[in-house]
Amino acid sequence: GEDVEQSLFLSVREGDSSVINCTYTDSSSTYLYWYKQEPGAGLQLLTYIFSNMDMKQDQRLTVLLNKKDKHLSLRIADTQTGDSAIYFCAERSNTGKLIFGQGTTLQVKP
Amino acid sequence: DGGITQSPKYLFRKEGQNVTLSCEQNLNHDAMYWYRQDPGQGLRLIYYSQIVNDFQKGDIAEGYSVSREKKESFPLTVTSAQKNPTAFYLCASSFGTSGGYTFGSGTRLTVV
Repeated sequence: GEDVEQSLFLSVREGDSSVINCTYTDSSSTYLYWYKQEPGAGLQLLTYIFSNMDMKQDQRLTVLLNKKDKHLSLRIADTQTGDSAIYFCAERSNTGKLIFGQGTTLQVKP
Repeated sequence: DGGITQSPKYLFRKEGQNVTLSCEQNLNHDAMYWYRQDPGQGLRLIYYSQIVNDFQKGDIAEGYSVSREKKESFPLTVTSAQKNPTAFYLCASSFGTSGGYTFGSGTRLTVV
C-alpha cells in the first residue's frame, strides 16, 4: 500500500544546514510536498516538486528527488531558530489524496 | 483574503456529549478533508469530501460524522461513540485532486 516514512527527530546548530529525508512507496506519484507545522498551528505548504524534476531550489530550501530510490529530501541552508518545527513530507496518491509521513521534528540549537 | 477557518480554537467536551467542529473556506476549493493529530504522531484522515453532498470515510472514521451541504463548509461532529476524542483536529481543502492542501489553524479538543 501507499506509505511515506520519515525519521522522527533532527537536531542542528544555528547556521548549519539541515537535511530532512523521506521515502515513499507510490511510484506513480506526480507531486511530492513539504509542509511545516509550528507548535499549535496548522500545516503550511513550504514547497513541492513535480515527479519529472530532480531538484528544486527556493531561497534557503532545496528539494532533491531520487525517483529511482523513491527518496525525497529537504535541505534548509543557514538554519535559524525560527525553522524549529515539525516538517511533513507528503505524496499525492493515485486517488488524489495526499499521504503524509509522520513528521520530522527539527530542533535548532543556538 | 482567501483562506480556511476553523473554529473554535479550543474546545472542551464532557464525556457522553457530541460536539461539532467548524471548518469554512472561501478558496472555492472542491475538496475538503478532516485529519486528527495526536502528540508526536502524524496526521490520520477521518473523512473527506470531493464534491458537495458527497463524502467518504478515511482511515479512522468510527465515532465521527460529517456533512457537506455547501461547498464552503465541512463540519465535523465528534460523537459520544468516539472513545478517545482528545486530540488536535485539522481541516484542509484543495482544488479537486490536484494541487497541495491548504490547512486551517486547527481545533484542540479536550474531553473533561
